[in-house]
Amino acid sequence: KQEVTQIPAALSVPEGENLVLNCSFTDSAIYNLQWFRQDPGKGLTSLLLIQSSQREQTSGRLNASLDKSSGRSTLYIAASQPGDSATYLCAVRPANAGNMLTFGGGTRLMVKP
Amino acid sequence: IAGITQAPTSQILAAGRRMTLRCTQDMRHNAMYWYRQDLGLGLRLIHYSNTAGTTGKGEVPDGYSVSRANTDDFPLTLASAVPSQTSVYFCASAPSEAFGTEAFFGQGTRLTVV
Repeated sequence: KQEVTQIPAALSVPEGENLVLNCSFTDSAIYNLQWFRQDPGKGLTSLLLIQSSQREQTSGRLNASLDKSSGRSTLYIAASQPGDSATYLCAVRPANAGNMLTFGGGTRLMVKP
Repeated sequence: IAGITQAPTSQILAAGRRMTLRCTQDMRHNAMYWYRQDLGLGLRLIHYSNTAGTTGKGEVPDGYSVSRANTDDFPLTLASAVPSQTSVYFCASAPSEAFGTEAFFGQGTRLTVV
């Protein structure tokens, strides 16, 4: 069974710092990996989608990498801002488990002004 | 605005009552999903549908049923609610179930069963 782990569970940084969120998964047989943002009491907003054949994706200050063979992905946030404060979730779509997006537990990020 | 609409946004429900959570998408996505999100357990798949007319069970299907009469709607029914079904429920959709298409989520329904 695919398991997804996110470390750290919580992170507090001062504004302006560059930071890295980590996601690891146990089974490398995946179609893709998707990073989401969730604000308190809200739904999930898709940030980046990396297909299994890709190494990274970039959107603005966000860069996500994927190392499928080692079961790891990182989300890099450059020049963090207070508005980046949210919970960040990664999810993998296993290649052999039908339609289950398997989620990590999330990293709760606080960027202090 | 195109996207996924869930209703209601929140509900307090007496145990034993029947309830249907509604989900509508206007993106003409084939695949739709229901997840529940619980503190410490993350998001878990309840049921899914690859296309209109078909449904499948996810990780935690017991106590829930779904139907997919058309492409746009995917209601989730609790036949007889129990307190352990207190959760935040998210509906999601994707263009296709195949090969890693991007998933989109609704804003959620916060359900409290008392």
